Amino acid sequence: DVKVTQSSRYLVKRTGEKVFLECVQDMDHENMFWYRQDPGLGLRLIYFSYDVKMKEKGDIPEGYSVSREKKERFSLILESTSTNQTSMYLCASSLGLNRSYNSPLHFGNGTRLTVT
Amino acid sequence: EDQVTQSPEALRLQEGESSSLNCSYTVSGLRGLFWYRQDPGKGPEFLFTLYSAGEEKEKERLKATLTKKESFLHITAPKPEDSATYLCAVQALINYGQNFVFGPGTRLSVLP
Repeated sequence: DVKVTQSSRYLVKRTGEKVFLECVQDMDHENMFWYRQDPGLGLRLIYFSYDVKMKEKGDIPEGYSVSREKKERFSLILESTSTNQTSMYLCASSLGLNRSYNSPLHFGNGTRLTVT
Repeated sequence: EDQVTQSPEALRLQEGESSSLNCSYTVSGLRGLFWYRQDPGKGPEFLFTLYSAGEEKEKERLKATLTKKESFLHITAPKPEDSATYLCAVQALINYGQNFVFGPGTRLSVLP
């Protein structure tokens, strides 16, 4: 079974603090994703990466950056948190197109971030 | 623009009362349609992939079907442990195939 592990389940931060959210997958997947999930807005893509050191902006990249130095690890960075970044953050991974035509996303259990 | 809608928004069933959830989609080119189950406070759990009209997949009490415009998740004789939010997503052909569009979900409650 694919396992996607997110480093924290719950985080509480003050406005302006820097936050690192870490995600590790153990199935040698090429693609990794960061989503946020909010009531009434559903799942929205922040960034994705299809290879080490490669990244693509999703639908809502403002206020976020990412890092992928190793294939199994994808980090989401919030340089200076604001209250509107309070959300559930979900990491996901999938096989690359060279290995699968339509690989599903496999999600971690999420990090609930509260910014006060 | 690629879109996914799901209905109903919420559904309450008695244990054993079968029903169906609907996922309607518009996408420029379909690479795959996916069903997920999400329990409160957890990440979505993958259930099925469908990619051609007429395809069906089954897992325990769940069966997913696909047409050119919609997918159904049929739940036969549900149990309380089937209570969850069910999400539908489509994967489009554009953007290196990474463009997943999620629906808002159907919140299912199965009462004992």
